[in-house]
Amino acid sequence: TQLLEQSPQFLSIQEGENLTVYCNSSSVFSSLQWYRQEPGEGPVLLVTVVTGGEVKKLKRLTFQFGDARKDSSLHITAAQTGDTGLYLCAGAGDYKLSFGAGTTVTVRA
Amino acid sequence: KAGVTQTPRYLIKTRGQQVTLSCSPISGHRSVSWYQQTPGQGLQFLFEYFSETQRNKGNFPGRFSGRQFSNSRSEMNVSTLELGDSALYLCASSLAADRYNSPLHFGNGTRLTVT
Repeated sequence: TQLLEQSPQFLSIQEGENLTVYCNSSSVFSSLQWYRQEPGEGPVLLVTVVTGGEVKKLKRLTFQFGDARKDSSLHITAAQTGDTGLYLCAGAGDYKLSFGAGTTVTVRA
Repeated sequence: KAGVTQTPRYLIKTRGQQVTLSCSPISGHRSVSWYQQTPGQGLQFLFEYFSETQRNKGNFPGRFSGRQFSNSRSEMNVSTLELGDSALYLCASSLAADRYNSPLHFGNGTRLTVT
């Protein structure tokens, strides 16, 4: 059983469309991190959110951390083919990360 | 700055054998973590080391072990391999010693196949 539930599991959209990925947990995390992983590579950190209600923007990517620090979302505006990959959320605690199962995003040209 | 280096990149072993995987962290990073990634279970935490001390361990059997050397390089060992151990093993390093907020820098993993 995953501590963090991500939805949807798969997402396929056309280039230029918007998308949102959700990450939910019954546990409170001191911080939540988002990673993107491409085939044959390790995950790469996108952002860390720490404060409940926090919103961070990274170019076309917007990350939100829920007020209760149990959930988070990643929104991509005007998706590009380079956004294709596996998006993972991870809750930090006790020298380890607990990962969600991931959302596979495919952006079609 | 060189990233996290994992060797070998690919390994094929047979059931019952043992295997050792190696990880060199980013220079200056003293924390090294290991994760197992499979399609069914996703990324699962194995263990974390800081200054040669294991600070946390995941729910894996004792066949999985690790260690860290004084230069922060780390190895993990899996003995008596089973088919279910086939996975991508990822090593990650971190600069901070923060218990609750240490972003990780991952290597590209070692793909282990057990036949």
